[in-house]
Amino acid sequence: GNSVTQMEGPVTLSEEAFLTINCTYTATGYPSLFWYVQYPGEGLQLLLKATKADDKGSNKGFEATYRKETTSFHLEKGSVQVSDSAVYFCALNFGNEKLTFGTGTRLTIIP
Amino acid sequence: KAGVTQTPRYLIKTRGQQVTLSCSPISGHRSVSWYQQTPGQGLQFLFEYFSETQRNKGNFPGRFSGRQFSNSRSEMNVSTLELGDSALYLCASSPLAGDADTQYFGPGTRLTVL
Repeated sequence: GNSVTQMEGPVTLSEEAFLTINCTYTATGYPSLFWYVQYPGEGLQLLLKATKADDKGSNKGFEATYRKETTSFHLEKGSVQVSDSAVYFCALNFGNEKLTFGTGTRLTIIP
Repeated sequence: KAGVTQTPRYLIKTRGQQVTLSCSPISGHRSVSWYQQTPGQGLQFLFEYFSETQRNKGNFPGRFSGRQFSNSRSEMNVSTLELGDSALYLCASSPLAGDADTQYFGPGTRLTVL
């Protein structure tokens, strides 16, 4: 079956540091890939997505590139802020089927 | 456009009771999915409805059920509550075309079973 493996957390960084959260997937075929973010006490917000190989999703300074050869979709940001502290989820699906999520990575940014 | 709304936001129930959660999708979205989020199991898919029909179902016992109305609003019901049903229940909606693979989530309903 499909699965998503995310970098174990928690991750703690200083403000303005470079962020990478690793995500790899196992799937038969070419799924759509997503990053969602969850702030404390809230639901999931779509951060970015990519639907085919070499696509780059980007939003709010975050980027992730769909790498078919390494089955990866790593999340990056050049300079994190305290407000980026949250839990980040990598996910995949095929068309309108269910989302398969990774376990989530808790990110804390220290001023 | 208003986002996905879920009511109530918080619920406290006791074992053996039943509960109904409600979800209103983004206007124009006709697919609604439900997920359970717990610290131990993470995010797990419950079921998905489209045009009042359940299209997909996750691996949950029959105590978990749902339905969708003609206006695309959806409800999920949990009967005979167990302590392990304590979780954040998230609803998500998807458009019919274009962005059909993308699910937009509501704020969730936090259910506590005592």
